[in-house]
Amino acid sequence: NAGVTQTPKFQVLKTGQSMTLQCAQDMNHEYMSWYRQDPGMGLRLIHYSVGAGITDQGEVPNGYNVSRSTTEDFPLRLLSAAPSQTSVYFCASSYSSGTSFYEQFFGPGTRLTVL
Amino acid sequence: GQQLNQSPQSMFIQEGEDVSMNCTSSSIFNTWLWYKQEPGEGPVLLIALYKAGELTSNGRLTAQFGITRKDSFLNISASIPSDVGIYFCAGHRRVQGAQKLVFGQGTRLTINP
Repeated sequence: NAGVTQTPKFQVLKTGQSMTLQCAQDMNHEYMSWYRQDPGMGLRLIHYSVGAGITDQGEVPNGYNVSRSTTEDFPLRLLSAAPSQTSVYFCASSYSSGTSFYEQFFGPGTRLTVL
Repeated sequence: GQQLNQSPQSMFIQEGEDVSMNCTSSSIFNTWLWYKQEPGEGPVLLIALYKAGELTSNGRLTAQFGITRKDSFLNISASIPSDVGIYFCAGHRRVQGAQKLVFGQGTRLTINP
């Protein structure tokens, strides 16, 4: 298994540009999520999905869109990049059923700089 | 948004020393987690705690779930160079079927050989 993969690893954008960060997992996990990591802030949840066709907002959703057309893929779209979106972005996935905790597996991250 | 208060923010220690870090929250969590992140990688789960008062070990790591369910600590004994990294605590709860993790700010551990 490749686990959780993210592309690209690095990206530089100009203010106002749009782009899509890709995330894929091959573990048949229902739950997928996107976090951003900023210095001194830990990780904050942007959007998440509990299954194909279902998405919801996390803690910091503004400026980002997501869709979940397949179980494997969960892309994150920046509609009009702003310098405040300079960050490291992590995708994560896990099983999700009942009330138990399931370990979330994180991808290696995408480092995004918006000029 | 809600975050956990994790301390200390950074630690500089000698190899062989013990390390202690903790995390507090104003909210109750059902599960407490400790992650380690190495440069260029995503966080990796070290220990998960499921019950108030639970004390769990994973090799040289020991973590406890606070009685009030609002805090947790992580100890690392006899540190070695590969312990270097950023350690995050996280609280877990389920909200409308979704797994929600709230992270602390992280503790950056540096070890002098």
